[in-house]
Amino acid sequence: NAGVTQTPKFQVLKTGQSMTLQCAQDMNHNSMYWYRQDPGMGLRLIYYSASEGTTDKGEVPNGYNVSRLNKREFSLRLESAAPSQTSVYFCASLIWLGGFADTQYFGPGTRLTVL
Amino acid sequence: AQSVTQLGSHVSVSEGALVLLRCNYSSSVPPYLFWYVQYPNQGLQLLLKYTSAATLVKGINGFEAEFKKSETSFHLTKPSAHMSDAAEYFCAVSDSDAGGTSYGKLTFGQGTILTVHP
Repeated sequence: NAGVTQTPKFQVLKTGQSMTLQCAQDMNHNSMYWYRQDPGMGLRLIYYSASEGTTDKGEVPNGYNVSRLNKREFSLRLESAAPSQTSVYFCASLIWLGGFADTQYFGPGTRLTVL
Repeated sequence: AQSVTQLGSHVSVSEGALVLLRCNYSSSVPPYLFWYVQYPNQGLQLLLKYTSAATLVKGINGFEAEFKKSETSFHLTKPSAHMSDAAEYFCAVSDSDAGGTSYGKLTFGQGTILTVHP
């Protein structure tokens, strides 16, 4: 049981380049999330998918797009990377059944640098 | 909207001393509250959570937290710090939209880096 996996672990981009961050979970969770972590700002929600086939914006969605490919996979795309998107990106998942939050399980993160 | 404030971005203690990490929340609905820990270059791991069952919550690695509604606080404590406790700690509260639906979302505090000195 691998839990939540993310690829790649590290990435360096030039301004204007595009890339997709991949996330997969093998826990049969229905909800998945993308966060970014910046020093002194905690984790901020970029996008989430409450269930397969749905996605919605979080606190900081500008400059990002997402795809919920199937129940296991949730990808984050940067169409035209900017230095302000230099950050550590975390994917998380949980089983959400209509109540309030249960435990979110986090991946190991992707460290992205945009030059 | 819900919010979380962690008082003190850095806390330093000696090994064996009491650990106290402070968290205050703002929520328009009864909150679910969480403490997560992040070791260097790793993802976040759940320490403990409050889901209205008991106000004193015990977690892993000897940590506990007490929910105080009157003070809107959920401070994290450990009686005796160990070198292995050095990490960054995040307090989080269940988030919800205008209609009161959470979709499992969390709002995190800014984080507190705990340093433990020998």
